[in-house]
Parts: sequence; C-alpha cells; structure tokens
Amino acid sequence: DAMVIQNPRYQVTQFGKPVTLSCSQTLNHNVMYWYQQKSSQAPKLLFHYYDKDFNNEADTPDNFQSRRPNTSFCFLDIRSPGLGDAAMYLCATSRVGGSSYEQYFGPGTRLTVT
Amino acid sequence: EDQVTQSPEALRLQEGESSSLNCSYTVSGLRGLFWYRQDPGKGPEFLFTLYSAGEEKEKERLKATLTKKESFLHITAPKPEDSATYLCAVQERSSASKIIFGSGTRLSIRP
Repeated sequence: DAMVIQNPRYQVTQFGKPVTLSCSQTLNHNVMYWYQQKSSQAPKLLFHYYDKDFNNEADTPDNFQSRRPNTSFCFLDIRSPGLGDAAMYLCATSRVGGSSYEQYFGPGTRLTVT
Repeated sequence: EDQVTQSPEALRLQEGESSSLNCSYTVSGLRGLFWYRQDPGKGPEFLFTLYSAGEEKEKERLKATLTKKESFLHITAPKPEDSATYLCAVQERSSASKIIFGSGTRLSIRP
C-alpha cells in the first residue's frame, strides 16, 4: 500500500543535542509538509516543499531546518532542541495539480527532550 | 484572515446516540474542506474532501455536509470505536498547497 512513513516513531534527545527526523513516501506526491503538534492542539505547519521549492512559515523558529534530497524523502533537523520543542512531529504529503488536494499523514514521531 | 472554528471542543455520547460536529470557516474562496480523524498518539487519517456548498459524502456511520459558511460531520448510531479527535481543515482557492486546521472536536462514545 502507498503510504507515508516516519522514523523513528519515538525519539528522546537531550537539551541542545541536534536531532533529525525522517519521512519517506511511496505516493509520488509533489508536496511534503512538516507539522508540529502539541497535546490537544491543531497541527501547526512548520514548512513545506513544493517539488524542490522550500516554503518556510513566518513563525517557524530558526532552530528548525528541513531537507528534501529527492521526491520520496524529507528530513526535519532540530539544531538545538529546547524543552518547548517536545511534541509530535507529523509529516504529510499531497499531490498539487491533481483532482484533489487532501494531505496524507504519517504516523508521527514523538519527540521527548530531557 | 482565514479561520477555522470547530465546536464543541469535546463531546461525550452514549453508544447509539447520534449527533453532529460543527466546523465553521472564513476564507476568501474555498478550494476544499477536509475532515480527518486522529487517534491518540497517531497521525490524522483522511476521511472526506468537500468542494462546494450542498455536497455530501458518507463513510460508514459518518456523513459530511457543506454550506457556504460551515460543514457538519454527522455521526449516526456511534460505536465506542468511533471515539477520536475529528479535525476539520480548509484550503483557500489561492493556495495550491497549504491548509488551515481547526483545533478539533474530541469525541468520546460510552458503551
């Protein structure tokens, strides 16, 4: 089945220690997104790639970076995690230019900062 | 400014007790409205896309409807396994890629 895969599912890192979360997709979608979701809140968009074009949200901290080396993979780098960065990180994909624009989400990575 | 508001924040029902969740939105032009289901600790699961006022979509015990200002997710004779957070999101016509989420309704079905 075509899907969005996130690794790892759970990540524990120390305060200030860089961490990388990964996302891959077999849907061949041209847009990939990273969201941050904290308890009982809506997903908050951090940035997205439309093909190779990177689109950063205005309020995304500089601490967060992303890479998309090819169509299938996208990475979220947190350079110096703080306690406030503990959250669920969701990757999503969509096909822009097709008949519908819904986003499909991966299972998420739960990040704990100690 | 584009906005999506969901109500109620939380809803507790008895098994078999039908009800509706509301999503009101403000966008300059709607490309699509999406409903998602999210279970604790998991990513949102896509349910429906609605494109124009009057449109309806159904899936098992769920039925989504759309007007020019709001959408309803009707749940008929719910079962405990329908317990989840239901998220509504909208995409503006001028945006090719971004969607705006509401804060969700936490639905709990008691056996």
